[in-house]
Amino acid sequence: GAGVSQTPSNKVTEKGKYVELRCDPISGHTALYWYRQSLGQGPEFLIYFQGTGAADDSGLPNDRFFAVRPEGSVSTLKIQRTERGDSAVYLCASSLTRDQPQHFGDGTRLSIL
Amino acid sequence: KQEVTQIPAALSVPEGENLVLNCSFTDSAIYNLQWFRQDPGKGLTSLLLIQSSQREQTSGRLNASLDKSSGRSTLYIAASQPGDSATYLCAVISRSGNKLTFGGGTRVLVKP
Repeated sequence: GAGVSQTPSNKVTEKGKYVELRCDPISGHTALYWYRQSLGQGPEFLIYFQGTGAADDSGLPNDRFFAVRPEGSVSTLKIQRTERGDSAVYLCASSLTRDQPQHFGDGTRLSIL
Repeated sequence: KQEVTQIPAALSVPEGENLVLNCSFTDSAIYNLQWFRQDPGKGLTSLLLIQSSQREQTSGRLNASLDKSSGRSTLYIAASQPGDSATYLCAVISRSGNKLTFGGGTRVLVKP
């Protein structure tokens, strides 16, 4: 049983560029979450999917951030016109139900130059 | 708005000593509370999950207690080992939602 897989593990890009971060959850997990973690802090919620739909996107900081999960499995977090303040580790988690633990991937470390 | 606090931010103990890590939250209307471990450059590993109806959970040398009315949880790690060195994070899910709200973590160093 594979865990949550995130690619790429590291991404370095220039300010203003577009980036896509991928998350492959544990097979069968219908709930998928994206979080963002800055250095020395706990993760902060971005968006939650139940199946294919975004059930809660209240954590997305602005309209440059968007996420999709078209077939209810793999999810992609998309960031347009990146800014230096977007630099952080982006973590993905999945769970079977609300009663079960959320399982996290190793994250994508995003650096905007 | 739920806020989660972990004090102290860092802790250093000699090997063999018991560890006591504290977590407090402002809104007692939680669904469950989860403790995680994070190693440098890695994601989070789930340690224990306590449902709101439970008082404690145990796994090996780890024991987590929950006092919902006072908004507190404590993670105890018995007979600490250098391999326990990591950052420990607590997080809660509110009764009305699904997202985890995290504390800032406690960075633990167990010295041989």
